[in-house]
Amino acid sequence: DQQVKQNSPSLSVQEGRISILNCDYTNSMFDYFLWYKKYPAEGPTFLISISSIKDKNEDGRFTVFLNKSAKHLSLHIVPSQPGDSAVYFCAASARAGGTSYGKLTFGQGTILTVHP
Amino acid sequence: DTEVTQTPKHLVMGMTNKKSLKCEQHMGHRAMYWYKQKAKKPPELMFVYSYEKLSINESVPSRFSPECPNSSLLNLHLHALQPEDSALYLCASSPGWTSGSLNEQFFGPGTRLTVL
Repeated sequence: DQQVKQNSPSLSVQEGRISILNCDYTNSMFDYFLWYKKYPAEGPTFLISISSIKDKNEDGRFTVFLNKSAKHLSLHIVPSQPGDSAVYFCAASARAGGTSYGKLTFGQGTILTVHP
Repeated sequence: DTEVTQTPKHLVMGMTNKKSLKCEQHMGHRAMYWYKQKAKKPPELMFVYSYEKLSINESVPSRFSPECPNSSLLNLHLHALQPEDSALYLCASSPGWTSGSLNEQFFGPGTRLTVL
C-alpha cells in the first residue's frame, strides 16, 4: 500500500518557466512533509518542508503548497533552471508518539528535466 | 559543519566477507538513520537510532547489524550478504523534535555496495 504517491514519473520544462511537481498521500496521520532532490549516485538533498499547520512555505525559488483536505502537496520551482534537473522525492512523516524522530515515507520520485 | 559523511563511497564484497559502512555527522543531531535504495526506487528505512539507542528496526535481516558508538557515529556491519543486497546505502541524521526544529533529515552521499 503506497501511502505517498507521485503519479508523474517525469516532467519536462523549459528554462525560465515554472515547474510544478505533485504528491498525494493517504495517511491522515502524516503531519510533516518534505521535498528532496536527488542526483544519480548521490544522497537526497533536503529542499524544503512544511508542517501540517501551514498551507504554504516559501524558500527562494521553491514554494511548497499543502492542501490537507485533498491530501495533496505540490512543489513549485520558479524560474526553473537546467541545474534543477534531478529526481524529486516527496516524503511524509508522522511524529512517532512521544519520540523525537520521525519515519519518512517517500514517494516514487519524479524526474525533472529543464531544457535550456 | 552541515554535512553527513559516509565511507567508503564504493564497496565490493563477496558473500562470505565481513565489512562495515561508516557514517559521521557533527551537527549535534540526536537521531540517525540507515536507508537502502535500489535503482529507480525511493529510499527504504532500515534502522533508526535515537539518542544512541536503537529505536526502529524495520524487520531487517540479521546479516545487517547497526551500531551507534556515540552521538556522531553510526556503523552498519555487513556479514554473509546476498547479491540482492547490492544497493546504495544511505545514512541520514536529524535534530530531533526536542530541539524545537521540524526535524528535517539530512542525508549523506551514500555507499554504493556490490555483493558478488
